[in-house]
Amino acid sequence: AQSVSQHNHHVILSEAASLELGCNYSYGGTVNLFWYVQYPGQHLQLLLKYFSGDPLVKGIKGFEAEFIKSKFSFNLRKPSVQWSDTAEYFCAVRGGGADGLTFGKGTHLIIQP
Amino acid sequence: DVKVTQSSRYLVKRTGEKVFLECVQDMDHENMFWYRQDPGLGLRLIYFSYDVKMKEKGDIPEGYSVSREKKERFSLILESASTNQTSMYLCASSLGRLAGRYEQYFGPGTRLTVT
Repeated sequence: AQSVSQHNHHVILSEAASLELGCNYSYGGTVNLFWYVQYPGQHLQLLLKYFSGDPLVKGIKGFEAEFIKSKFSFNLRKPSVQWSDTAEYFCAVRGGGADGLTFGKGTHLIIQP
Repeated sequence: DVKVTQSSRYLVKRTGEKVFLECVQDMDHENMFWYRQDPGLGLRLIYFSYDVKMKEKGDIPEGYSVSREKKERFSLILESASTNQTSMYLCASSLGRLAGRYEQYFGPGTRLTVT
C-alpha cells in the first residue's frame, strides 16, 4: 500500500522567511503528486500538481515543488512567506493505477508577523 | 469552477441515530470520495465511487455505507452513530481515468458531533 510521510507536523516561521515542507512517498511506480492547502475555516484547495515532464512545478500563490524520483520526494517551497500563508498543508500521491489519492497527515504552518 | 457542496456545515446527532451526509458536485465528475479528517491523522478515505451505483471501500469503511444513485450525488450513511464517529467529513470529486485527471476538488466539510 502507498503511504505519504510529511516530516514536520508543526512549523513556525517569521514573515519573509523561506519555506520548505518535506514530503516522501512509498510507491515505486509511476506517480502523480499533489499539494493541497487548507486555510483556517476554508475547504481544501489544490496548490499544485505533478503528472509528468518538468520535475519543478509551479503552483498558485508563489508556491513551487520539486519531484525527485530517486528520493521519492515532492517537497513544497516558497522563497518568502507571508502571514496569509498560515494554513495546513497536505501532500498527496496517486499511484498504481488507482483513482484515489493517499494523503499525508498534514503540516500546520504558522507565520508570525 | 468546480463546485462541491455538502448538505450541512455542522450537525449534532445522538448515539445510535442513523445519519445521512449528502454531497453534490456540478462538474460531471466520474469519481466521488468521502473522507474523515481528524487532528494529527490527516485525511482518511472512507469510501469512494467511480460510477453510478458503484462503490469501493477505502481505508476505514467500518460503521459507514454509501449510496450513489445519480452521478452528481454521493451520500455517506452512518448506520448507527457512535461517539468515535465525531469528526469532520469531507466530500471530494475528480474527473477520473477517462479524462486522465485525478486531482480532487473538495467540499467545505461537515463537522459532525455525536453525543
